[in-house]
Amino acid sequence: AQSVTQLDSHVSVSEGTPVLLRCNYSSSYSPSLFWYVQHPNKGLQLLLKYTSAATLVKGINGFEAEFKKSETSFHLTKPSAHMSDAAEYFCVVSDQGVWITGGGNKLTFGTGTQLKVEL
Amino acid sequence: DTGVSQDPRHKITKRGQNVTFRCDPISEHNRLYWYRQTLGQGPEFLTYFQNEAQLEKSRLLSDRFSAERPKGSFSTLEIQRTEQGDSAMYLCASSQGRDPKAYNEQFFGPGTRLTVL
Repeated sequence: AQSVTQLDSHVSVSEGTPVLLRCNYSSSYSPSLFWYVQHPNKGLQLLLKYTSAATLVKGINGFEAEFKKSETSFHLTKPSAHMSDAAEYFCVVSDQGVWITGGGNKLTFGTGTQLKVEL
Repeated sequence: DTGVSQDPRHKITKRGQNVTFRCDPISEHNRLYWYRQTLGQGPEFLTYFQNEAQLEKSRLLSDRFSAERPKGSFSTLEIQRTEQGDSAMYLCASSQGRDPKAYNEQFFGPGTRLTVL
């Protein structure tokens, strides 16, 4: 079984300050982990992905995430928030092991973190 | 536009009516997924297709739900005898099937928002 827990449902930061969105995962196999962003009335967009290569992953729009197996964490960070970053962010897990044994690589989403960026 | 498209974008129906949604995946993608997202929650997996074969269905997919992908291209999701609890955003995603590493990267459509009155 696979799951993710997003530790904060809402995060509020000031423009220009760092962003930290926290995520812990649980997976029976070697996981693939993702962060997706959802802007109002727009589709889900992939920010970045970890698939067992480098543990520090760089994504679009200046976002990064670090895979820490010992802590089962995959926190999303950005050095300096911009107003356009305000959106809902989802931490997502997919079991590569499940795919290898014939599974479908279905994605399991967290409940989301709403990021608010204030002037 | 070469992304995933969904139609309609919004659907309002009365309880007990049947509705059908369509998804057109990215053309070279042979995997297609359906998810459902209720207010304040993350998307939940419903079902997926490898070409025209439906390979997995979630327990969330009751008997009133049926999905098809007859020619391995577009897919339809039908809900019969809709209930108010079916109100949600229905999301479609697609991914490649040839490169194992690409299996994981799913590209999402804008969704169909269903409101059951």
